[in-house]
Amino acid sequence: SFELTQPLSVSVALGQTATITCGGGNIKNKNVNWYQQRPGQAPILVIYRDTSRPSGIPERFSGSHSGTTATLTITKAQAGDEADYYCQVWDNNSGVFGGGTTLTVL
Amino acid sequence: QVQLQESGPGLVKPSQTLSLTCTVSGDSISTFSYYWTWIRQPAGKGLEWIGRIYSGGSTNYDPSLKSRVTMSVDTSKNQFSLKLSSMTASDTAVYYCARGGGRGFDQWGQGTLVTVSS
Repeated sequence: SFELTQPLSVSVALGQTATITCGGGNIKNKNVNWYQQRPGQAPILVIYRDTSRPSGIPERFSGSHSGTTATLTITKAQAGDEADYYCQVWDNNSGVFGGGTTLTVL
Repeated sequence: QVQLQESGPGLVKPSQTLSLTCTVSGDSISTFSYYWTWIRQPAGKGLEWIGRIYSGGSTNYDPSLKSRVTMSVDTSKNQFSLKLSSMTASDTAVYYCARGGGRGFDQWGQGTLVTVSS
């Protein structure tokens, strides 16, 4: 089955830049979406189609995709950015999520 | 603004069938551009896609759950539903409904906890 690989955890100092990667399988030609899930809350979409940001999502959040790796970048990290982040793609009409990355802001 | 709300039993006995409904407000479930999705999350674990349904009734299900899943849509009530049969303890999770389209899953319900226990 198709699998997406994310690091289990990423730490970032307050105000610095965090990067979360998503890879595995053949995502080279797939659009990657990213979701943020704060503790006890439903996920929210933060990046779609690799690089696009929904309205209301701060410009600090950006996405990129090169080859078999997609990356979510959060600049000027804030305490409120502490959350789990999931990447997601479509494979043969099935939604596939990465295992999730816990972002800790130090 | 579109809102989604899950409803259904919080407790299901092993081997029984789970039935959940998602009520959509602020948008027509018949909107051509969107599909309607169920996603679940076991406690302390990641997100698991269950399946999706279009307003016309066509569906796609996760291969690992396909034999147990049925989704339906009721455009007159602006609702869509999930049935998951032969429930076991491993199906205990928070179940989310969400709207999907070209921009990913852009609207989510708050989620409902379903526990499988006798």
